[in-house]
Amino acid sequence: ETGVTQTPRHLVMGMTNKKSLKCEQHLGHNAMYWYKQSAKKPLELMFVYNFKEQTENNSVPSRFSPECPNSSHLFLHLHTLQPEDSALYLCASSLRGYEQYFGPGTRLTVT
Amino acid sequence: EDQVTQSPEALRLQEGESSSLNCSYTVSGLRGLFWYRQDPGKGPEFLFTLYSAGEEKEKERLKATLTKKESFLHITAPKPEDSATYLCAVQDNQGGKLIFGQGTELSVKP
Repeated sequence: ETGVTQTPRHLVMGMTNKKSLKCEQHLGHNAMYWYKQSAKKPLELMFVYNFKEQTENNSVPSRFSPECPNSSHLFLHLHTLQPEDSALYLCASSLRGYEQYFGPGTRLTVT
Repeated sequence: EDQVTQSPEALRLQEGESSSLNCSYTVSGLRGLFWYRQDPGKGPEFLFTLYSAGEEKEKERLKATLTKKESFLHITAPKPEDSATYLCAVQDNQGGKLIFGQGTELSVKP
């Protein structure tokens, strides 16, 4: 594997379900990010991790819970989501906060 | 407050018809301005970083330039495979988060 990978690529879940998104970076970077991308809106930063420590939580609802066990892996745990949470969720990584490299995204649909 | 505005929102070109995309920004102190390309249903693909006014970078048919208030992405003799959404983002000199614009959707017809 190269670059930034995300699984699953597509996810459909009910509002009462619990699911997790996974991101892995193979670039030797030390910072990882979660973004939300909704139609016709700019990318919204959700969380930032530097050296496994969360350094930013951009006022994200508690139904989104991030986890970063090491510098290469990042998870986003989802529970009791709302239909408006349907979006493309993107993971990115960078080296010391410079250029960010993105994964392919997870297309999430909440029914 | 840091802000990025891209124009136009959508641009339709004929193959070979050169044009430019604009990214206007306000930031307290610029660390870097970034251009990305995003194809439908995929993650953004990094293109360029510009650090200071007057800087230019090129890649194939794309050339990015930077002034103190805006950046341009010039597309020379575009091909249909250049069709995508182009995103601009700025980062302040505190090394903080990227602020993205809403993107320009480029369509190049043969």
